[in-house]
Amino acid sequence: DTEVTQTPKHLVMGMTNKKSLKCEQHMGHRAMYWYKQKAKKPPELMFVYSYEKLSINESVPSRFSPECPNSSLLNLHLHALQPEDSALYLCASSHTSEGGELFFGEGSRLTVL
Amino acid sequence: GENVEQHPSTLSVQEGDSAVIKCTYSDSASNYFPWYKQELGKGPQLIIDIRSNVGEKKDQRIAVTLNKTAKHFSLHITETQPEDSAVYFCAASISGGGADGLTFGKGTHLIIQP
Repeated sequence: DTEVTQTPKHLVMGMTNKKSLKCEQHMGHRAMYWYKQKAKKPPELMFVYSYEKLSINESVPSRFSPECPNSSLLNLHLHALQPEDSALYLCASSHTSEGGELFFGEGSRLTVL
Repeated sequence: GENVEQHPSTLSVQEGDSAVIKCTYSDSASNYFPWYKQELGKGPQLIIDIRSNVGEKKDQRIAVTLNKTAKHFSLHITETQPEDSAVYFCAASISGGGADGLTFGKGTHLIIQP
């Protein structure tokens, strides 16, 4: 199994809503990542988890809250988002945080009204 | 921090012709250079990568070359096919693509004309 599975594929939420994005991998990878991708732009790193511990937070606003319940799961909790947060949110994993191929999921397309 | 420049932003080639996409990087400590292909509505997928101790790598119709002195690397696709149409991103990393993540170029939209 070489897949990173993300749910939901599409999400529409209001600025006062609380929602979560979910990511799962069963490749035994110990590093997991959240990226944000705006239309016609490259992915931008948001968070890195290594061995279930947050190792990098790229100055992301606190309205985005990551969580890594176990080595296979990664969540991104969303609260009080702004319309400019609308984007494709990509989850990725790699064998370790020291390097190696990044496997990306297909993304969750978020629209904030 | 690292800065990766990618050209061209759009490339249109006839089916069967070759396509070349070029990237330059700024940090001489970068040692890992992957190329990702992103089809519409999908996440990026690694197609080939190269490390700084190698000058060229080939995988069937795809090749990547690296010039460490000039700090640039290129993707070459030969005998292009319609399924090669996608956005291609180059990237660079000083840690083998690890904890600091990757710095991506802005992407090249490759269009294969039938």
